Amino acid sequence: NAGVMQNPRHLVRRRGQEARLRCSPMKGHSHVYWYRQLPEEGLKFMVYLQKENIIDESGMPKERFSAEFPKEGPSILRIQQVVRGDSAAYFCASSPDAGGPAYEQYFGPGTRLTVT
Amino acid sequence: AQSVTQPDIHITVSEGASLELRCNYSYGATPYLFWYVQSPGQGLQLLLKYFSGDTLVQGIKGFEAEFKRSQSSFNLRKPSVHWSDAAEYFCAVTPGFGNEKLTFGTGTRLTIIP
Repeated sequence: NAGVMQNPRHLVRRRGQEARLRCSPMKGHSHVYWYRQLPEEGLKFMVYLQKENIIDESGMPKERFSAEFPKEGPSILRIQQVVRGDSAAYFCASSPDAGGPAYEQYFGPGTRLTVT
Repeated sequence: AQSVTQPDIHITVSEGASLELRCNYSYGATPYLFWYVQSPGQGLQLLLKYFSGDTLVQGIKGFEAEFKRSQSSFNLRKPSVHWSDAAEYFCAVTPGFGNEKLTFGTGTRLTIIP
């Protein structure tokens, strides 16, 4: 069973361009989380999605950021008109279900976004 | 709102010595507690987790953690560290019950010296 896949692993964008980050959860997982890690900081929650639904987007910046998890295909985190402050590592995690003692989030390797 | 504090930003330990990384949380009830490890340029790997029951939890790679409700702590320990343990360690909590978003501490960077 392949782990959580993220691509690209590294992404360079100029200010004002769009960045699209993709996350394929583990097989059988229907819950996806996105986290952002700024340099020298811990991970900060951004958004929690289930198939075709945004469950919690309380950590998403109000502008320029959006996320989706369609019925088919990977989850996408989209950043429009990127600025230097968006430079960070973006991690995706997936889980098979919410709650319970067996609960665990499995993390992907991350996408490192650099805005020049 | 829940929060996690890792008071030690950087710890240096000699190979073979014991290790304890501190984690304190703030939450109204008993949350679900996790320790993750991140090697440079990599994603996060779960070391161990606590939901309920026995307050001493065993994890992978020889790590263990003890939940102490009275101190709101969940410290990570290892009796004898190996050079391969050098990494960043994150403590995290989630309230459970349908929204499992993790709140992370700022991390502790572990350096191992020969």
